[in-house]
Amino acid sequence: EVQLVESGGGLVQPGGSLRLSCAASGFTFNTYPMTWVRQAPGKGLEYVSGIGTGGSTSYGDSVKGRFTISRDTSKNTLYLQMNSLRAEDTALYYCAKIYRSGSPFFDYWGQGTLVAVSS
Amino acid sequence: EVVLTQSPGTLSLSPGERATLSCRASQSVSSSYLAWYQQKPGQAPRLLIYGASSRATGIPDRFSGSGSGTDFTLTISRLEPEDFAVYYCQQYGGSPLYTFGQGTKLEIK
Repeated sequence: EVQLVESGGGLVQPGGSLRLSCAASGFTFNTYPMTWVRQAPGKGLEYVSGIGTGGSTSYGDSVKGRFTISRDTSKNTLYLQMNSLRAEDTALYYCAKIYRSGSPFFDYWGQGTLVAVSS
Repeated sequence: EVVLTQSPGTLSLSPGERATLSCRASQSVSSSYLAWYQQKPGQAPRLLIYGASSRATGIPDRFSGSGSGTDFTLTISRLEPEDFAVYYCQQYGGSPLYTFGQGTKLEIK
């Protein structure tokens, strides 16, 4: 059974940093692209970042230059390093598995970890 | 950036009725790269339809997707009580790599 478990969220001051983790199990982690998607309270879904099996990365415009995605295949874990956090980064952050290379849809999602940016 | 506009914002229907949800793109989207998700309160989104018309694993056949170019539709043939939720369309390609529509809330009338 595929499982994605996010952790690392919390309350942080504007300008601060946080690192999110997503522990993956139930599939061969190093053979699937992975992504982070966020959802601000009461709002819709927003793509944050993605990483391919070869390590290529992409970012949403609002986080480019501030967030860094990475993966540790030895630990089956996806990361999101978030720096220079702003109030508008407050959201539930989901990690999601890509269906397969060439089929860029999110077939499994974690339950999310909440990030709150406030002074 | 490809902007996806979903309509209506809210759809009020009764169980047993047919629901038609629209997703319009600001520029042409490959059908291969258009998906629909369902999200219930307090839950993560669930993939329903990918490639514009293919049902994801375990999705009932009352859900169907269609469309091409800039106009895509999600149809629920006969609404069940568990279908009342928020629905999002999503596309892949361009910059940013993925964009979502703003969602359609399907509520019980």
